[in-house]
Amino acid sequence: GAGVSQSPRYKVAKRGQDVALRCDPISGHVSLFWYQQALGQGPEFLTYFQNEAQLDKSGLPSDRFFAERPEGSVSTLKIQRTQQEDSAVYLCASLIWDSGVQFFGPGTRLTVL
Amino acid sequence: EDKVVQSPLSLVVHEGDTVTLNCSYEVTNFRSLLWYKQEKKAPTFLFMLTSSGIEKKSGRLSSILDKKELSSILNITATQTGDSAIYLCAVVKNTGANSKLTFGKGITLSVRP
Repeated sequence: GAGVSQSPRYKVAKRGQDVALRCDPISGHVSLFWYQQALGQGPEFLTYFQNEAQLDKSGLPSDRFFAERPEGSVSTLKIQRTQQEDSAVYLCASLIWDSGVQFFGPGTRLTVL
Repeated sequence: EDKVVQSPLSLVVHEGDTVTLNCSYEVTNFRSLLWYKQEKKAPTFLFMLTSSGIEKKSGRLSSILDKKELSSILNITATQTGDSAIYLCAVVKNTGANSKLTFGKGITLSVRP
């Protein structure tokens, strides 16, 4: 596709439910990033993939958060046993190898009730 | 700890005004600084600044980096209502292939007709 796409665009979950958020990066982009953006804040780094390898997961806030990119293209961010503090916009970004400019998807707005 | 601070946090102006948005940073191994515009969707890339003192320009927008002062400004001249958005500043460190972005909180700009 022409840009980074994410689905769903909106997700409402009851506390305790598991959710899965999908990211389709720009074709050919080696690097993929996930960010979490709380209301009124800038995006904060969660995790980074280079192809299928997860090279940095230092930003994942707890072991309830898990990300994968098994074939080096589409990535899924999974949140288990969601909590209210997980409510945020989850942004995915991709870039060509080491270009420095990340291109963002529209995000998934997660609301945990 | 790496830090990116943007000011002011919000700004209201009238169409035709000129605005200056500020970003300062404290990071080790600085590589580049990026500006993004965020409306109710994906952050869209505006500028990437690597060298000090070289102005980058795109239409009514321009930006410059001052590595001595560890800061950058984004100028918008002859503002239009379509410039209303959140403007995000982010820095990239020189840590090999991992180009994760450290963002400021963003500046909310409202342009009134």
